[in-house]
Amino acid sequence: DADVTQTPRNRITKTGKRIMLECSQTKGHDRMYWYRQDPGLGLRLIYYSFDVKDINKGEISDGYSVSRQAQAKFSLSLESAIPNQTALYFCATSDSDRDDRSMEPQHFGDGTRLSIL
Amino acid sequence: DAKTTQPNSMESNEEEPVHLPCNHSTISGTDYIHWYRQLPSQGPEYVIHGLTSNVNNRMASLAIAEDRKSSTLILHRATLRDAAVYYCILRNAGNMLTFGGGTRLMVKP
Repeated sequence: DADVTQTPRNRITKTGKRIMLECSQTKGHDRMYWYRQDPGLGLRLIYYSFDVKDINKGEISDGYSVSRQAQAKFSLSLESAIPNQTALYFCATSDSDRDDRSMEPQHFGDGTRLSIL
Repeated sequence: DAKTTQPNSMESNEEEPVHLPCNHSTISGTDYIHWYRQLPSQGPEYVIHGLTSNVNNRMASLAIAEDRKSSTLILHRATLRDAAVYYCILRNAGNMLTFGGGTRLMVKP
């Protein structure tokens, strides 16, 4: 079983609909992240959470919201989807950096391909 | 944020070594150099990271220039499964990963 599971894997929906993408992890990590990837480009950070009570905006948070329901679950919502939110969405997790030198790596799910018509 | 510069694409032959370059001339003293790769239809995967000294792990080696303004990810023996986009990323403690465009590595049989 995957350590970082994203559901659904694919979703096609219409403009104006509310969409929720879900991410769950079995790695026991405190930190979770949501990224977006557009064709041919690198990933951009949408939101991140360092623990259950911590939510932070990333580079491109406008039009998105998140919920950290438990240590293992982090959901991304599009309240009113628009076509330019069509993209590949990735969830990631990491352990907390123990100190300035630990630099824990991030572990990614396989992504959700979202198309908004 | 300090930026990195990588070639858009590179080709390699199977079973030969691959050297993937990365320039980061504005790196600060506390920036770590991270490499991730993204296989087709998958999320990125951590490869290796380092600060000043060269690093080795089961996946690859990281060679860091003495002035730290450039680094090279070395795959000792490329396989078809190594075909991916490789991202070189600078990261400071407490900061997030910032992905650039990466290098698309193609491996020929």
